[in-house]
Formats: sequence, C-alpha cells, structure tokens
Amino acid sequence: DGGITQSPKYLFRKEGQNVTLSCEQNLNHDAMYWYRQDPGQGLRLIYYSQIVNDFQKGDIAEGYSVSREKKESFPLTVTSAQKNPTAFYLCASSIVGETYQPQHFGDGTRLSIL
Amino acid sequence: AQSVAQPEDQVNVAEGNPLTVKCTYSVSGNPYLFWYVQYPNRGLQFLLKYITGDNLVKGSYGFEAEFNKSQTSFHLKKPSALVSDSALYFCAVSLSFAGNMLTFGGGTRLMVKP
Repeated sequence: DGGITQSPKYLFRKEGQNVTLSCEQNLNHDAMYWYRQDPGQGLRLIYYSQIVNDFQKGDIAEGYSVSREKKESFPLTVTSAQKNPTAFYLCASSIVGETYQPQHFGDGTRLSIL
Repeated sequence: AQSVAQPEDQVNVAEGNPLTVKCTYSVSGNPYLFWYVQYPNRGLQFLLKYITGDNLVKGSYGFEAEFNKSQTSFHLKKPSALVSDSALYFCAVSLSFAGNMLTFGGGTRLMVKP
C-alpha cells in the first residue's frame, strides 16, 4: 500500500544535540511538508518542498533544517538552536498543481527533551 | 492572509445524537476547504473537501459538511454520532492560486459519550 512512513515514532534529544526525523513516501508525490503540532495550536508549517533539491521556509523554520535529495525522502533536522523542540512532528505529501487534492499524512514522530 | 477558526475547543455529544463541529474561514479568494480527523498518536486522515458546486459535501464515515459562502463557514456534521467518532478534528483552507498550501484551524476535540 502506498503511504508515508515516519521514523522513529518516539525520539529523545539531549541538550545541544541535533536530531533527524525521517520521512519517506511511496505515493510519487512531488510536494512534501513538515508540520509541528503543539496542544491547542493546531498544525504549524516548518518547511515544504515542491521539487527535488528545492525547499522553502514555512511559518516556524527557525531552529530546523531540511534536505530534499530524493523525491521520496524529506528528512527534518531539529538543531540545538531550537530551544523548545518538544512537540509532535507530522510529515505530509501531496500532488503539485492540483490544489484541490488533499495532503496525505504520516503517523508522526513525538520528540521530547531528556 | 488566510485564516481558519474553530471556535470550540471541545464538543460533547451523546451517542446517537447529531453532531456539529464548527469552522469559519477568512480568505481573499475562492477557498478550497478540507476536514481532517486525528486519532491519538496518529497522523491526520482526510475526511472530505469542498471545491465547487453543491454546498453539501459528503465524506468518509458518514460525515458531511455544508459550505456557506455568506457566513464563510464550513461546519462538519453527522446525523448520528458513534463513540468511535471521538477524536480531534481539523478544518483547513487553501486558495486556488496558492498551490497545495494549507492553513489549519486549531482543532476541536469531539467526545461522544455512550
């Protein structure tokens, strides 16, 4: 079955450490997205990419970095500059050009500070 | 800028009763509107969308939503609630010229009691 796989499901970060969250999709979608979810705040966009080797900052990009070397993969690195990284991180993908098509989501990674 | 409001943090309803989860939006163009559902520690699942045409949209699991342009609303409804409908519901909007970029509401927790 096609879908989006996020790993790991749970991740713990030490002070000063960078951690990378994995997102892989086999839906052949060109666009991929990273969201942060905090209780009561809905989803906020961190980064998005509409084509390989190109990505754009979202609303809360500070302290995060991404890469898009392959169509199927869009890893997110939470750097030590992100002072409040504890959250639920969601990856999504969609078709580009057909704006009425919904985004498809992975099952998320929950990041906590040790 | 576009925005979405879900005025109720939580909606409580008894099993078998009709349910409504409210959503209002603010955009400066023609909106595409979406409802998603999230179960604990899972990603978002697409329920239904409004693109154009009939104001009453039917979706998955017996849910439907009514688009009201004059009131800028897109309320989610179901004639008879099930305990298994208990989850977090998100309304989202995108614009026809903005690609697949979604703006999400803050979410509404639906609690269906037996």
